[in-house]
Amino acid sequence: GAVVSQHPSRVICKSGTSVKIECRSLDFQATTMFWYRQFPKQSLMLMATSNEGSKATYEQGVEKDKFLINHASLTLSTLTVTSAHPEDSSFYICSAGVDPEETQYFGPGTRLLVL
Amino acid sequence: GENVEQHPSTLSVQEGDSAVIKCTYSDSASNYFPWYKQELGKGPQLIIDIRSNVGEKKDQRIAVTLNKTAKHFSLHITETQPEDSAVYFCAASPNSGYALNFGKGTSLLVTP
Repeated sequence: GAVVSQHPSRVICKSGTSVKIECRSLDFQATTMFWYRQFPKQSLMLMATSNEGSKATYEQGVEKDKFLINHASLTLSTLTVTSAHPEDSSFYICSAGVDPEETQYFGPGTRLLVL
Repeated sequence: GENVEQHPSTLSVQEGDSAVIKCTYSDSASNYFPWYKQELGKGPQLIIDIRSNVGEKKDQRIAVTLNKTAKHFSLHITETQPEDSAVYFCAASPNSGYALNFGKGTSLLVTP
């Protein structure tokens, strides 16, 4: 149990294009999901908190118009990187909490490379 | 906000030895302290967690201790094996349902 999946696992795109990353809780429902970004050899940095049925909460310094988050159901949250640029190249990881303890389990991550 | 510091940044041990990783946190409101193992190119995997009402928790070769007064918690891995080699992250949050504040990670290498 407590499996979180992400799709795609890896994506390469041209500068200026938009990329959508999906995060799914496979065997449980998640009211809240979190999106993190991790640069090489660095720690995970929280980007935003995604709540089902409401607007996401973004961390300071994260542009909400650039990183669009949609949490349309209790098992799916999506992160869209709009007009991606090379500096957006990173490892994007989502996590979801499991009731009732809300322990967070992470997805396998999505490697984004913007050329 | 919460600030989590983690030491050491790298740790090399011989197979069979113990490994200890230490973290400190700043926010006295933090009550939940998980540890994650991350292998190259993969997402973090929860290996053990502890809540503030407990001082120690053990799961086979892995144990975590928590000192709320001193605001520090530690991960102990005994009888290390080469497959334990990975980056380990500590984290803290006010509750298990909140976003996590991560330490900078410890790269553990277990040599045969």
